[in-house]
Amino acid sequence: DAKTTQPNSMESNEEEPVHLPCNHSTISGTDYIHWYRQLPSQGPEYVIHGLTSNVNNRMASLAIAEDRKSSTLILHRATLRDAAVYYCILIKGWNKLVFGAGTILRVKS
Amino acid sequence: GAVVSQHPSWVICKSGTSVKIECRSLDFQATTMFWYRQFPKQSLMLMATSNEGSKATYEQGVEKDKFLINHASLTLSTLTVTSAHPEDSSFYICSARPDRATGELFFGEGSRLTVL
Repeated sequence: DAKTTQPNSMESNEEEPVHLPCNHSTISGTDYIHWYRQLPSQGPEYVIHGLTSNVNNRMASLAIAEDRKSSTLILHRATLRDAAVYYCILIKGWNKLVFGAGTILRVKS
Repeated sequence: GAVVSQHPSWVICKSGTSVKIECRSLDFQATTMFWYRQFPKQSLMLMATSNEGSKATYEQGVEKDKFLINHASLTLSTLTVTSAHPEDSSFYICSARPDRATGELFFGEGSRLTVL
């Protein structure tokens, strides 16, 4: 599976939007872009995924660049409960999910 | 939504004993499940892919005789850490995806193993 690059950490103020970037320059046409997050001592939680078009759900939005070499996870209003490690992962179909280092998101009150 | 449950959520055992961790998909069938381990302040490391009715596929560097995986039914996979040692202490996490689905992967709550 192609690799992704994310910043080690980011900080946000509560109630403000957060844009978490992910670079995946070696993405192939059949790779889906998945985002998961993990709170301390818990299993990861699905956030959102997409292929080519931007996606919205109740948790977040996913903006995918036209060339698909990068994407951005958007949390519209960060809360303290959004503080977690966010993982951007590429996956082909039913394949296994391989985690990178992720981005530690800190939310300040 | 779909739920994956792990049991036990934490376990403490003596060195040399074996520990079994269960992973269940509660409301969907999963021919394939995945096992991960996670050390403090590190990312998840994929250990193996569990396949119902057949042998598990282990990632490079993971000892299959040490970490026994059994996927006896479409809703249950077990990971047995055999002859556990302190270095096996870790957070073990399973995941599953409903058959024929290409969307999200569902994760268990994790099982924290401490070997004394």
